[in-house]
Amino acid sequence: GAVVSQHPSRVICKSGTSVKIECRSLDFQATTMFWYRQFPKQSLMLMATSNEGSKATYEQGVEKDKFLINHASLTLSTLTVTSAHPEDSSFYICSARDVRTRGNTGELFFGEGSRLTVL
Amino acid sequence: AQSVSQHNHHVILSEAASLELGCNYSYGGTVNLFWYVQYPGQHLQLLLKYFSGDPLVKGIKGFEAEFIKSKFSFNLRKPSVQWSDTAEYFCAVNAGTGTASKLTFGTGTRLQVTL
Repeated sequence: GAVVSQHPSRVICKSGTSVKIECRSLDFQATTMFWYRQFPKQSLMLMATSNEGSKATYEQGVEKDKFLINHASLTLSTLTVTSAHPEDSSFYICSARDVRTRGNTGELFFGEGSRLTVL
Repeated sequence: AQSVSQHNHHVILSEAASLELGCNYSYGGTVNLFWYVQYPGQHLQLLLKYFSGDPLVKGIKGFEAEFIKSKFSFNLRKPSVQWSDTAEYFCAVNAGTGTASKLTFGTGTRLQVTL
């Protein structure tokens, strides 16, 4: 149980276009999902907390107009990178908690990640 | 704010060698501690976790970690590594309570096990 799926796993786009990444919890409901960005040889940086039915909470330094997050249902959150530029190229990872079985312990389940390359 | 430090960035070991990866965190209150592993080409997976109770926790694949509160440490250990343990290892700390509490990751340690 507790599977999180991301799509697409890889995407290449032209500079100036927008890209949408989907994150789904397959066998549990997630009222909260988290979006991380991972730079090469670096740690995961929390970008934002996605809350079902309300606005996302962004970490300091993350442009909310650049990285649009929508959490329309209890099993789906999307991250849209708007007007992408080469510096947005990175590995984006979503995660979610299964509060039902893990409670408020903080344990997260991760998607496979999406590698974005902006040309 | 909480922070996590992993001192070893890249570790190379021969098979059967013992492993210890350091992890220190900074947060004065109650914490939940995790080690995640990322095998090449795969997503992050939970290796083990500490919430309370016995400070020596055992995880999957023979890994264990010891929580030493006085040292703010949660080091990962394995008595005898295998080639298949080659991966990136991340220590993480969750401070606070509630569903919105955040997980903060260390910079990761790349473990390379040679035959």
